[in-house]
Amino acid sequence: TQLLEQSPQFLSIQEGENLTVYCNSSSVFSSLQWYRQEPGEGPVLLVTVVTGGEVKKLKRLTFQFGDARKDSSLHITAAQPGDTGLYLCASRSRLTFGEGTQLTVNP
Amino acid sequence: DTAVSQTPKYLVTQMGNDKSIKCEQNLGHDTMYWYKQDSKKFLKIMFSYNNKELIINETVPNRFSPKSPDKAHLNLHINSLELGDSAVYFCASSKIQGWPLSDGYTFGSGTRLTVV
Repeated sequence: TQLLEQSPQFLSIQEGENLTVYCNSSSVFSSLQWYRQEPGEGPVLLVTVVTGGEVKKLKRLTFQFGDARKDSSLHITAAQPGDTGLYLCASRSRLTFGEGTQLTVNP
Repeated sequence: DTAVSQTPKYLVTQMGNDKSIKCEQNLGHDTMYWYKQDSKKFLKIMFSYNNKELIINETVPNRFSPKSPDKAHLNLHINSLELGDSAVYFCASSKIQGWPLSDGYTFGSGTRLTVV
């Protein structure tokens, strides 16, 4: 059993669609982070959520931290092919990553 | 450019060999890490190291050892390589482990190790 469970594992959508990926745990976290990894590169930090219920926006990406600080979600509006990549949630304090969601946005 | 750089990018070697992967960061970070990413893209911590403390994931075989000549470098030595060691190895750095909460890892581009 992983500390951070992500769903779905794979997601293939058409350009312009909306999507949400989830990061869930039974543990409470002081913060959670989201990264995006592209082929041949290391993960790149997108955002850190710290406060329960917090919502952060990064252009078309909206990140939410659950009220109980056990889960987080990433919502992408009007997905574009450039959003294609592996999305990872992580707890830096626990040195743990989720299993990732591989997103493919088709033109 | 400020970054985490690791070399080599690709490493193909035979079973039983000993190899090293080098990592350097010029970000002034205090903590460095090695992660292993398997074929299913799962990132698993191997080591976390600052100038005071080495945290070892107990599941990592003792054939793997980190070596840090100074705060900016954390190299990974692997002895007696096995087929199952094939993976992508990522070096990363951050400010003080776990603090500030808003801070994240900066990763290198990875080293794809293939053991044949």
